[in-house]
Amino acid sequence: EVQLVQSGAEVKKPGATVKLSCKVSGYTFTDYFMHWVQQAPGKGLEWMGLVDPEDGETKYAEKFQGRLTITADTSTDTAYMELSSLRSEDTAVYYCATDVIFGVVTKAGYWGQGTLVTVSS
Amino acid sequence: QSALTQPPSVSGSPGQSVTISCTGTSSDIGTYYRVSWYQQPPGTAPKLMIYEVSNRPSGVPDRFSGSKSGNTASLTISGLQAEDEADYYCRSYTTRSTYVFGTGTKVTVL
Repeated sequence: EVQLVQSGAEVKKPGATVKLSCKVSGYTFTDYFMHWVQQAPGKGLEWMGLVDPEDGETKYAEKFQGRLTITADTSTDTAYMELSSLRSEDTAVYYCATDVIFGVVTKAGYWGQGTLVTVSS
Repeated sequence: QSALTQPPSVSGSPGQSVTISCTGTSSDIGTYYRVSWYQQPPGTAPKLMIYEVSNRPSGVPDRFSGSKSGNTASLTISGLQAEDEADYYCRSYTTRSTYVFGTGTKVTVL
């Protein structure tokens, strides 16, 4: 069974840095990109960036360039999302997500349960 | 990269069909067949419903179908059911090798 398990909620002060994790199981971590998505309270989904765990290559949305770092640790099958210079507008739920994973029988996309980050002084 | 444009809301009675549009540009939907659709009921994580314009993942009912014409992609829900009530988002790959989501559409079952 494919699972993406994210780390717990965080409370940070403005200007701080947050690092979230997403541990995967049930598939070969290096075979599929890992995306990170932001959802502010009551708002829509915003694509932040992705990492190719195979070689560590990343792509970031222009909005987050310079503040966002996404990495992948193949020794623990865990992806990380680090966002710096936090401001109140970064208060949101952050999701990790895969594209379609083609299993022996099934094909599906998978999302983590989400991690709430609250930025407040 | 601006968000793809979706109608804020659509509604229909049980059994009816509804279609959600997702309008982009020649830098995203118009160039690539890498358009996905996601369903998000309140308080839950999104779920992939359609990938590569018109393909359904395992377990997604065939009431859900996708298509694309020019710079606009569409998701159609046929035989609308109460459980289909949720927010729906499109997503496309772009010429900058990034992705962009749509603005989201709330589907209401009357």
